Amino acid sequence: SQTIHQWPATLVQPVGSPLSLECTVEGTSNPNLYWYRQAAGRGLQLLFYSVGIGQISSEVPQNLSASRPQDRQFILSSKKLLLSDSGFYLCAWTGPSYNEQFFGPGTRLTVL
Amino acid sequence: SQQGEEDPQALSIQEGENATMNCSYKTSINNLQWYRQNSGRGLVHLILIRSNEREKHSGRLRVTLDTSKKSSSLLITASRAADTASYFCATAFAGSARQLTFGSGTQLTVLP
Repeated sequence: SQTIHQWPATLVQPVGSPLSLECTVEGTSNPNLYWYRQAAGRGLQLLFYSVGIGQISSEVPQNLSASRPQDRQFILSSKKLLLSDSGFYLCAWTGPSYNEQFFGPGTRLTVL
Repeated sequence: SQQGEEDPQALSIQEGENATMNCSYKTSINNLQWYRQNSGRGLVHLILIRSNEREKHSGRLRVTLDTSKKSSSLLITASRAADTASYFCATAFAGSARQLTFGSGTQLTVLP
């Protein structure tokens, strides 16, 4: 069966520090991968999605970037965090039919 | 904005009652999906309804779709305390089924 992992589960970082969040999927190949951010009490905002290795589409201009170095690995990064980067970051995958998305457990990021 | 909007934002009912949540959207869709999120967790897919379908059932869930009104409803029958969660609709637009656009969610509280 397929599983999706995210780490770390929680992270507290100072303003201006770098960020690296990792997402990995097991049990499937060539997944479509997504990064979302969720502000408290709000819906999900799509940040990036990827249909293959090295292929990244950005939905919102910001100081975040994404990379997909391997088929089942998706990384969200920042060189310098802002206070506004605080939130709940969710990774998700979907198969070739683009039906339901399967979400990871999320990373709670607090920027101080 | 193409984002779906749920109504109501919050709903509190007694165990055993039915819960109805509504979702409206603005453009033509390929499909509409409902997700559930327990506090601090990832989203879980509940049900998908395609643009050519009008109603779909899954266990205690019933989803309707009215493409002429660009709206959908999620009915949870015989609610349980364990149904307490946030519920989100997400739309896959006709021109870009790769991406989902999420609404802001309905917070459902089922009182025992």
